[in-house]
Amino acid sequence: NAGVTQTPKFQVLKTGQSMTLQCAQDMNHEYMSWYRQDPGMGLRLIHYSVGAGITDQGEVPNGYNVSRSTTEDFPLRLLSAAPSQTSVYFCASSYDRAPYEQYFGPGTRLTVT
Amino acid sequence: DAKTTQPNSMESNEEEPVHLPCNHSTISGTDYIHWYRQLPSQGPEYVIHGLTSNVNNRMASLAIAEDRKSSTLILHRATLRDAAVYYCILRRSSGSARQLTFGSGTQLTVLP
Repeated sequence: NAGVTQTPKFQVLKTGQSMTLQCAQDMNHEYMSWYRQDPGMGLRLIHYSVGAGITDQGEVPNGYNVSRSTTEDFPLRLLSAAPSQTSVYFCASSYDRAPYEQYFGPGTRLTVT
Repeated sequence: DAKTTQPNSMESNEEEPVHLPCNHSTISGTDYIHWYRQLPSQGPEYVIHGLTSNVNNRMASLAIAEDRKSSTLILHRATLRDAAVYYCILRRSSGSARQLTFGSGTQLTVLP
């Protein structure tokens, strides 16, 4: 099993550009989520999904879109990048049942200039 | 949502036990206590979880106070590889059960 994979590992964007961060898992997990982590802080939930075709907002959803067309993939779209979106982004997945043990990807480090 | 309080940082010597405390005085009766850790430049990884009884697994032990207002993660023999940020998280048993709310955690330094 590859687990949770994320691409790219690093990305630099200019303000106003758009891009998609990719996340895939091969564990047949129903639940997938995106977090961002700013320097010296814990992770904050952006969006999550409990299955294909179902998504919902987390704590900090503004400026981001998600979709879930398959069980395996959960891409995160930045619509118009802003310097405040400079962060490390983590994707996670789990079975949609207790104990909801989440598996995290290695992260994408995004810099917006 | 119930909140957890952890020390910002702790130090331990290699091959000695480490006790990482967590206070959660407003925990509700059905909240689970989860611990995750984040190694440098990596995503968080699950360590252990419990509800009322103490728990052991291959990575660590979790000791939960009888009133559940605090818990302690125990690493029995710290190694250099255990240097990480450790997060104590309360997970609800329903509603937003899937969601993890991360605080700033405890930065554990292991000294050789």
